[in-house]
Amino acid sequence: QVQLVQSGAEVKKPGASVKISCEASGYTFISYFLHWVRQAPGQGLEWVGTVKAGGGAANYAQRFQGRVTMTSDTSARTVFLDLNSLRSEDTAVYYCARENGGDGFDVWGQGTLVTVSS
Amino acid sequence: EIQMTQSPSTLSASVGDRVTITCRASQSISRWLAWYQQRPGKAPKLLIYKASSLQSGVPLRFSGSGSGTEFTLTISSLQPGDFAVYYCQQYNSYSPTTFGQGTRVEIK
Repeated sequence: QVQLVQSGAEVKKPGASVKISCEASGYTFISYFLHWVRQAPGQGLEWVGTVKAGGGAANYAQRFQGRVTMTSDTSARTVFLDLNSLRSEDTAVYYCARENGGDGFDVWGQGTLVTVSS
Repeated sequence: EIQMTQSPSTLSASVGDRVTITCRASQSISRWLAWYQQRPGKAPKLLIYKASSLQSGVPLRFSGSGSGTEFTLTISSLQPGDFAVYYCQQYNSYSPTTFGQGTRVEIK
């Protein structure tokens, strides 16, 4: 079936970097954009950015510009989110989600908890 | 960036009740609006897209309406599994896309 499986929880110190992955299966990987959405503890959903799974284009939320990189490995059917200069406010569950054209985000990963703490 | 405002923030209701959640956009988004349900500890789940299209597998008691700047999600008869947080999302542009702050539906 169509699914997105994310890498496991991470604990990082302030100033460090984290790279989390999202592996897709059950559909034509390169045909879709994948998005990253995060959720701080007890808070709402915040869009981080998007990457074209087939390679190339990535767009990031302005507040993350300069700190975030999203990439795709088509052979591994996996997209990556790389976030650097971590601070405590980056503590959140990070979700990947498939954009289904004009039909919203129809498939979500299970989420990856990133904890930033000294 | 388009701002999305949901109301109410919290809604107390009983099983069998009809409930309505409203979402307003800061500018027209035509019908590019989705609704998601999020249960505790779980990823969001798509319920409605293009303002009123029901995602496959979602029960018929969920419905959406609206266009332009005002939208509603209605649950016709609340079931025990419906107590959750609901988010609207505009995707007039996916970059950036924005979410409402969420509406918690709790048991009265």
